[in-house]
Amino acid sequence: DADVTQTPRNRITKTGKRIMLECSQTKGHDRMYWYRQDPGLGLRLIYYSFDVKDINKGEISDGYSVSRQAQAKFSLSLESAIPNQTALYFCATSESETGSYNEQFFGPGTRLTVL
Amino acid sequence: AQSVTQLGSHVSVSEGALVLLRCNYSSSVPPYLFWYVQYPNQGLQLLLKYTSAATLVKGINGFEAEFKKSETSFHLTKPSAHMSDAAEYFCAVSVRGYQKVTFGTGTKLQVIP
Repeated sequence: DADVTQTPRNRITKTGKRIMLECSQTKGHDRMYWYRQDPGLGLRLIYYSFDVKDINKGEISDGYSVSRQAQAKFSLSLESAIPNQTALYFCATSESETGSYNEQFFGPGTRLTVL
Repeated sequence: AQSVTQLGSHVSVSEGALVLLRCNYSSSVPPYLFWYVQYPNQGLQLLLKYTSAATLVKGINGFEAEFKKSETSFHLTKPSAHMSDAAEYFCAVSVRGYQKVTFGTGTKLQVIP
């Protein structure tokens, strides 16, 4: 079984709709991240969380919100989707212990299309 | 601030030829450096990482990278390309005490038969 899972894997929606992307992990990691991938731009950090009570904005948080429901679950919401949020979204986890070097473990991604 | 620059968004090599993917980093403190690979329709997986031990790092699938502080580089190499190496490769940097990772823009590797 995959250690980091994302649902849905693909989603097509319309402008103005509310969308939630979900991420679950069985790695036991405290830290979770949401990234967005666009061609030619690499991965950009949207939000990150170091524990259930710690949520932080990344470099491109506008238009997004997150919820850390439990250590293992981290959801990303688009309150009112717009076409330029069409992208591939990745959830990732990392350990908090010294010596983890912030190595990221990625889910399979969610391809979101906003029409 | 930390950053990485990947030179060349697309690289083509012949099967059996040397693979060289370039990455330069910028960091005010000693960095941790990573190479990740993304196969089509998949997430990223770690190829190798530099964590201030040996400067020559060996990874999976025959890849290796050398940390060169004087050149601020961490280029990825493989002596002989296989068709299965066709993928997108990302260089990334992190530093101690800064709990985020910064990714490069990626290099797509095409392997020509």
